[in-house]
Amino acid sequence: QKEVEQNSGPLSVPEGAIASLNCTYSDRGSQSFFWYRQYSGKSPELIMFIYSNGDKEDGRFTAQLNKASQYVSLLIRDSQPSDSATYLCAVRGNNYGQNFVFGPGTRLSVLP
Amino acid sequence: NAGVTQTPKFQVLKTGQSMTLQCAQDMNHNSMYWYRQDPGMGLRLIYYSASEGTTDKGEVPNGYNVSRLNKREFSLRLESAAPSQTSVYFCASSGALYSGNRYEQFFGPGTRLTVL
Repeated sequence: QKEVEQNSGPLSVPEGAIASLNCTYSDRGSQSFFWYRQYSGKSPELIMFIYSNGDKEDGRFTAQLNKASQYVSLLIRDSQPSDSATYLCAVRGNNYGQNFVFGPGTRLSVLP
Repeated sequence: NAGVTQTPKFQVLKTGQSMTLQCAQDMNHNSMYWYRQDPGMGLRLIYYSASEGTTDKGEVPNGYNVSRLNKREFSLRLESAAPSQTSVYFCASSGALYSGNRYEQFFGPGTRLTVL
């Protein structure tokens, strides 16, 4: 069983819609959760991080964490074609030796 | 600040050849990492260095060696390249490894390696 799972996609949404990206993890002791965006041929860049249950908003992005369900999500409101990229979920927890474990990523395509 | 830099950007090797990938960061970070990224596999940790003078194996260390030359530099060596090592290699750094705080990882631009 993979430790961090994501739907590989592609997830296609029309411009202006809400894109919802999901991630589940296996280590209940996980403490920190990160969302990275990676454009094709580029390196990952951090867009959101969350530690506590609930929602965290930053501009058009909202991260949601539910530790009981071992689930973290990223919502992108008013999606733009420039949001088209692969989104990587990363989890940092006790069983990982304090290292990050990355999910395989979800490819998002925002259609004009 | 340049952030995290990597050299070379591209490399083609023949099976059995050796090479060293270089990584440097100017953010005064303690921890540095080497990942490989393959289609559908996400980022997998090869080796990491929690602080200057220490290195540890990650998820996929076989066929690789590392050196933490100083606080700024962390190199990855392939002693005898194999086609299975064809991948994109990313170096990353963060403020600290053993911490309850966020300490996000910052990534370099990557090295695209092909082993024929």
